[in-house]
Amino acid sequence: GQNIDQPTEMTATEGAIVQINCTYQTSGFNGLFWYQQHAGEAPTFLSYNVLDGLEEKGRFSSFLSRSKGYSYLLLKELQMKDSASYLCAVTPQGNYQLIWGAGTKLIIKP
Amino acid sequence: DTGVSQDPRHKITKRGQNVTFRCDPISEHNRLYWYRQTLGQGPEFLTYFQNEAQLEKSRLLSDRFSAERPKGSFSTLEIQRTEQGDSAMYLCASSLALGGNQPQHFGDGTRLSIL
Repeated sequence: GQNIDQPTEMTATEGAIVQINCTYQTSGFNGLFWYQQHAGEAPTFLSYNVLDGLEEKGRFSSFLSRSKGYSYLLLKELQMKDSASYLCAVTPQGNYQLIWGAGTKLIIKP
Repeated sequence: DTGVSQDPRHKITKRGQNVTFRCDPISEHNRLYWYRQTLGQGPEFLTYFQNEAQLEKSRLLSDRFSAERPKGSFSTLEIQRTEQGDSAMYLCASSLALGGNQPQHFGDGTRLSIL
């Protein structure tokens, strides 16, 4: 079966750093995506990993370990506008549909 | 690039009615996807097209759901004889067909409420 796990909710303080974890079990692997989704809005693309290691994009970084079936999204210098759900999604091998986690709701406190 | 456009934004209808949603993808994108999302969950895959061909359809999709992309541009998703359980946000996304690493870009969705 296909399974993606993320924590349901996390809380962090403005200006701090937070790491959101994602573990996956899928029938093959062709890449992992992170999306941000504000309440009532569409998901927006943040990052893509297909090889092991860290991809950095400004305040956001994403890490992948294929052998462990594990990824994390690291958010630095948190801002109030970062309050949103963060969704992890995997493309199984030979298949272009995305398998989605339920998302992690991130709450930023002043 | 005007982004992915969906219409209508909201639809309220009575149980048993038919509804149709439209999606206009980013113009150069030849892949188009339909998802359904309920509160607190990630998007659930429904179906996808490459150009006008419907290449994959979720086994969870009942016969009441049908999607078309007649000219390989816009797409429609129709739900016949709607049920309470169909209440959800219906999301459309599009991407380039250049392998599995192309991000999908989403529209703002159509929120369906069944009375």
